[in-house]
Amino acid sequence: GNSVTQMEGPVTLSEEAFLTINCTYTATGYPSLFWYVQYPGEGLQLLLKATKADDKGSNKGFEATYRKETTSFHLEKGSVQVSDSAVYFCALSDESNGNKLVFGAGTILRVKS
Amino acid sequence: GAGVSQTPSNKVTEKGKYVELRCDPISGHTALYWYRQSLGQGPEFLIYFQGTGAADDSGLPNDRFFAVRPEGSVSTLKIQRTERGDSAVYLCASSVRGGYTDTQYFGPGTRLTVL
Repeated sequence: GNSVTQMEGPVTLSEEAFLTINCTYTATGYPSLFWYVQYPGEGLQLLLKATKADDKGSNKGFEATYRKETTSFHLEKGSVQVSDSAVYFCALSDESNGNKLVFGAGTILRVKS
Repeated sequence: GAGVSQTPSNKVTEKGKYVELRCDPISGHTALYWYRQSLGQGPEFLIYFQGTGAADDSGLPNDRFFAVRPEGSVSTLKIQRTERGDSAVYLCASSVRGGYTDTQYFGPGTRLTVL
């Protein structure tokens, strides 16, 4: 079945550091890939997505590239801010699996000033 | 425009009681999803509606859980004979058509606590 594995946290960084959160997936079909973010006290919101291989999703300085050959969708940001502190979820949606979202366990990011 | 709304935001109940959780999706969205999120974990799928019908209920854990969407808009998740293990945040999401490339927009969730 479909699954998503993302790096365990918490990840603690200083402001302006480079961020990578690894995400790999297993899917029976050709999925769409998503990063959702949950800020403290708020609901899940879409950060970025990519719907086919080699697509790059980007938003708010975050980027992720859909790599079919390595089944990965790693999240990166060149310079994190304290306001980026949140929980980040990688997810996939696959037509062969009924279009539901399958989420990873989430990665807590803490950015210190 | 208005996003997905869920009521109540918090629900505390006693073991064995019946609860109803409501979701109001974004206007015009035909697809509606329910997920459950336990502490420290990612959301897990429960059920998916396309219009008024349940297109996929494979995530419902047992027959104590049931959901309806009678007019193709508002949905209600119903849990009978609640157990302590049902305690979690219940999330609702909607998308325009329900395709696998569509973005799902999430509500703020209902935190259910079963004592």
